[in-house]
Amino acid sequence: EAGVAQSPRYKIIEKRQSVAFWCNPISGHATLYWYQQILGQGPKLLIQFQNNGVVDDSQLPKDRFSAERLKGVDSTLKIQPAKLEDSAVYLCASSLGSGRFDEQYFGPGTRLTVT
Amino acid sequence: AQSVTQLGSHVSVSEGALVLLRCNYSSSVPPYLFWYVQYPNQGLQLLLKYTTGATLVKGINGFEAEFKKSETSFHLTKPSAHMSDAAEYFCAVLYGSSNTGKLIFGQGTTLQVKP
Repeated sequence: EAGVAQSPRYKIIEKRQSVAFWCNPISGHATLYWYQQILGQGPKLLIQFQNNGVVDDSQLPKDRFSAERLKGVDSTLKIQPAKLEDSAVYLCASSLGSGRFDEQYFGPGTRLTVT
Repeated sequence: AQSVTQLGSHVSVSEGALVLLRCNYSSSVPPYLFWYVQYPNQGLQLLLKYTTGATLVKGINGFEAEFKKSETSFHLTKPSAHMSDAAEYFCAVLYGSSNTGKLIFGQGTTLQVKP
């Protein structure tokens, strides 16, 4: 079974530029998550999708971050414009459902450096 | 509100020695608790989880953890460290209802294994 795929793996941009990350979840997984992991910290949930609807985006900085999951499969996370403090690893995860018993499977992440 | 505290951002042990990584949580409801491992440039992998039932939980790679409600702790142990155990370890608590699951992570503990 293929795991969660993410691209690109690494990205370096200058502040005020825009960037987009892509995630392909495990086939059949209805729930998709985007996490931000700043160096030295644990991952923090940015947004959770159930199929193509948003379940929780309470910690997404909506003035600069946006995410979509068209057709309930792949997802993109965009930052526009980027700030220095956005430098982090962006992890995508997916699970079969959204309940407490559904294990989340993580992709390898995209490491973003903003200079 | 749920939160997780991992005591010690870096732990160093000799190969063959006991591994003990500490995790304390706060939760207003019976917690679901997790330990994840992250190898360099990879995503998070689930080591073990506690949901209900037996308080001593066994996971992959010889790790285990014990849920102690009175101490609000969920420490991770392994009797004998191996060089391949060097990685970053995250404790997490699940926040939400039976239909929604949101992981709250600790800040992580880097395990170094010396030959």
